[in-house]
Amino acid sequence: EVQLVESGGGLVKPGGSLRLSCAAAGFNFNNVWMDWVRQAPGKGLEWVGRIKRKTDGGTTDYAAPVKGRFTISRDDPKNTLYLQMNSLKPEDTAVYYCATGPFDYWGQGTLVSVSS
Amino acid sequence: DVVMTQSPLSLPVTLGQPAAISCRSSQSLVYSDGNTYLIWFQQRPGQSPRRLIYEVSKRDSGVPDRFTGSGSGTDFTLKITRVEAEDVGVYYCMQGTHWPYSFGQGTKLEMK
Repeated sequence: EVQLVESGGGLVKPGGSLRLSCAAAGFNFNNVWMDWVRQAPGKGLEWVGRIKRKTDGGTTDYAAPVKGRFTISRDDPKNTLYLQMNSLKPEDTAVYYCATGPFDYWGQGTLVSVSS
Repeated sequence: DVVMTQSPLSLPVTLGQPAAISCRSSQSLVYSDGNTYLIWFQQRPGQSPRRLIYEVSKRDSGVPDRFTGSGSGTDFTLKITRVEAEDVGVYYCMQGTHWPYSFGQGTKLEMK
């Protein structure tokens, strides 16, 4: 059974940092592109970024609102995806989901709140 | 960037009646490989999104056949032949053809 479990969310002050993790199980993690998607409270879905599998270069792409502040990485031996978030702003407040590249599997999400 | 526009944004429906959601993109979603990367998601209240349809019309495993995706180029539609109570939620289209990926605003389906 495919499982994606996010963790690391919480309350952080503006300008602060947070690292989210997404533990994967039930599929060949190293063979899949992975994405992060967020959803502000009561709002729609917003794509955050993605990381390709190592055999495709392992490169990353980011949405404009987070580029330069967020970094996606992966640890294939640990089957874990990461989202390092720096210089956080109140508008980054959202539930953050990890998802497999084709978006066929999603985690349950973790809430990040940015507030003073 | 590609803008995805859904309509309607609110869709009150009667149990057992059909429903349709439109999704239009600001550019053609046909990729260089000939495929069209248009996805439909369902998000039930309090749950994570669930993929229903990918590449315009391919239904995911376990998705009831009352859900049908269609369209081409820039115009796409998700149809539900007979709405059931469990279909209540928000439906999103998303394009995965052009970077950055983008979602529609969402259509809230609710019972009349």
